[in-house]
Amino acid sequence: DTGVSQDPRHKITKRGQNVTFRCDPISEHNRLYWYRQTLGQGPEFLTYFQNEAQLEKSRLLSDRFSAERPKGSFSTLEIQRTEQGDSAMYLCASSSQGLVDTEAFFGQGTRLTVV
Amino acid sequence: ILNVEQSPQSLHVQEGDSTNFTCSFPSSNFYALHWYRWETAKSPEALFVMTLNGDEKKKGRISATLNTKEGYSYLYIKGSQPEDSATYLCAPRGLSNTGKLIFGQGTTLQVKP
Repeated sequence: DTGVSQDPRHKITKRGQNVTFRCDPISEHNRLYWYRQTLGQGPEFLTYFQNEAQLEKSRLLSDRFSAERPKGSFSTLEIQRTEQGDSAMYLCASSSQGLVDTEAFFGQGTRLTVV
Repeated sequence: ILNVEQSPQSLHVQEGDSTNFTCSFPSSNFYALHWYRWETAKSPEALFVMTLNGDEKKKGRISATLNTKEGYSYLYIKGSQPEDSATYLCAPRGLSNTGKLIFGQGTTLQVKP
């Protein structure tokens, strides 16, 4: 499969625990995005990488959230000291930099439940 | 780009009905508009990327139009089938070079056989 893959698909954690999610983008894509989707809402932008550089972070991304893309390939999103409000679907997307009509390709997401 | 609105929020139709949804967005700072279909337990799937005022795109029974001057796009589904049941998301892109998408809340379509 050459699409965007995310791991794990589901994560249940206790409040206060740390969690880490992984995203493997399409190999030739240099752009990588993280989004968060909660019930009844569309996905909200969290952060953007071009290669290994994190170039934009949403104000939604509190200091408990950190994302990395160490070698410009896979990315991780870590949430420290999880809260119930962090329960959501976390989506990763990748795209190539180029024409105006470039599509972003999404993974299936990681559904986080904080109990 | 802020304030992306989609209507209706949800829709139930019978198989064979044709239907349409609306996406409204601020017309300033417009760069492109993306439509996605998101089926339960799957990845959001790109349907269209539209850039020019008056653009009209078609994929099978699904088509979309774009009006950048007044800030709206319509998605049409002709002869809905149960497999069209999904959430349809629109996402305009602004003039920043990041490719960041700002999504509407989506329209959830349920097609009854």
